[in-house]
This record gives sequence, structure tokens and C-alpha cells, in this order.
Amino acid sequence: AQSVAQPEDQVNVAEGNPLTVKCTYSVSGNPYLFWYVQYPNRGLQFLLKYITGDNLVKGSYGFEAEFNKSQTSFHLKKPSALVSDSALYFCAVRGGDNFNKFYFGSGTKLNVKP
Amino acid sequence: SQTIHQWPATLVQPVGSPLSLECTVEGTSNPNLYWYRQAAGRGLQLLFYSVGIGQISSEVPQNLSASRPQDRQFILSSKKLLLSDSGFYLCAWSVRHNRDTEAFFGQGTRLTVV
Repeated sequence: AQSVAQPEDQVNVAEGNPLTVKCTYSVSGNPYLFWYVQYPNRGLQFLLKYITGDNLVKGSYGFEAEFNKSQTSFHLKKPSALVSDSALYFCAVRGGDNFNKFYFGSGTKLNVKP
Repeated sequence: SQTIHQWPATLVQPVGSPLSLECTVEGTSNPNLYWYRQAAGRGLQLLFYSVGIGQISSEVPQNLSASRPQDRQFILSSKKLLLSDSGFYLCAWSVRHNRDTEAFFGQGTRLTVV
């Protein structure tokens, strides 16, 4: 079965510091991995994806993610956090038994303090 | 460009009343369509997805149903709402037969059953 785990309910970081939001996945076959951000009472916004190729993927708003096949991880990173980055972040995987379905993690709340 | 419309944005309904939430996509053809529910501002639960007109896959047995009467229209319904149906409902679409693409989300409907 396909699944995504986000082990941290919440991540706190000071503005200007680097941030990491963790994600691990389990999928049969090649993984197609995604990160989304959600602001309160809004839909999910796509940030970036890994399909194939370079393990470091760059996305919107200065975010990047590192794919690690041996650790089955796809952690979201940003070199310097902004207060406006505070939001709920979701990791998702597509693939395995049914490419029509996206499997989402439980979400990680990122708090960036001034 | 493609857009997804979801309405209403908020809805307060009494227990036992019917429900109809509508989602339409513009600027694309033959999309995959999805209904997700998000409870308490956290994880996403896939309720239904559709790969074509009249083709509905149900992920979780519950008090809800979905229909796709037109290629770019996806409707979530209930004959009698329960308190437990309260939540944030999100519609999404993705490109059919293209596993490389992400899902695009609507702005959501906040349903409160009283």
C-alpha cells in the first residue's frame, strides 16, 4: 500500500533561519512526490515535485526539496525562513497501484517567529 | 490557463438536510477529478475520484455520494447530513494519463452541520 508520513505535527523556526519539514514515503515502483502549502481556509497550493532526475528540486517561493531514495524521504527545505512562510505543509505521493490517486501526509504546521 | 471553481465557500446546514457541492474546471479537457475532506485543519481524506463522465470511485464508505454529469463538473451530494459530515471539502483536478503532473485544488467549502 502507498503511504506518506510527516512525523512532525509542528515545526518552529526563527525568521532568517533555515527550515526543514520532513516527509517519508512508501510506494511500490517509482515515486512521484509533491509538496503543497495551505493557508487558513484556503485550498492547497502546489510548491514543487520530484519525478525523476536531479535529487534536489527547486520550487516556488524559494523552497526546495531533496529526494533520497535509500531513505525513502523527500524533505522540504528553505535556506532562510520568512514569517509569511507560516502555514500548513503537505507532502504527497502519486503512484504505485494506482496513478490516478494522490496520497497525502497528515500535514506539518510551520511556525516562523520574528 | 486552467481554473477550478468550487462553491459555495461556506455552508451551514441542519442535520438531516440534503447537500450539493459543485466543482467545475475550465481550460482543460478529460481531467481526473477528486473530492477530499479535511477535518480539523489537518490531514486530507480522499472521498471520491473520477477518471471520466459517470465513472466514480469511492474511497471511503460514508454518507456521501459523487457524480460527474459532464466532463468538467464534479458534484458531491448527501441525502441526509450528519454532524460528522462537517469539515472542509476540497475539489481538485489533474491531467489524465499523465503521472508527472500535480493536482490543482479549488479554494474549498467549509461545511458546518448543526
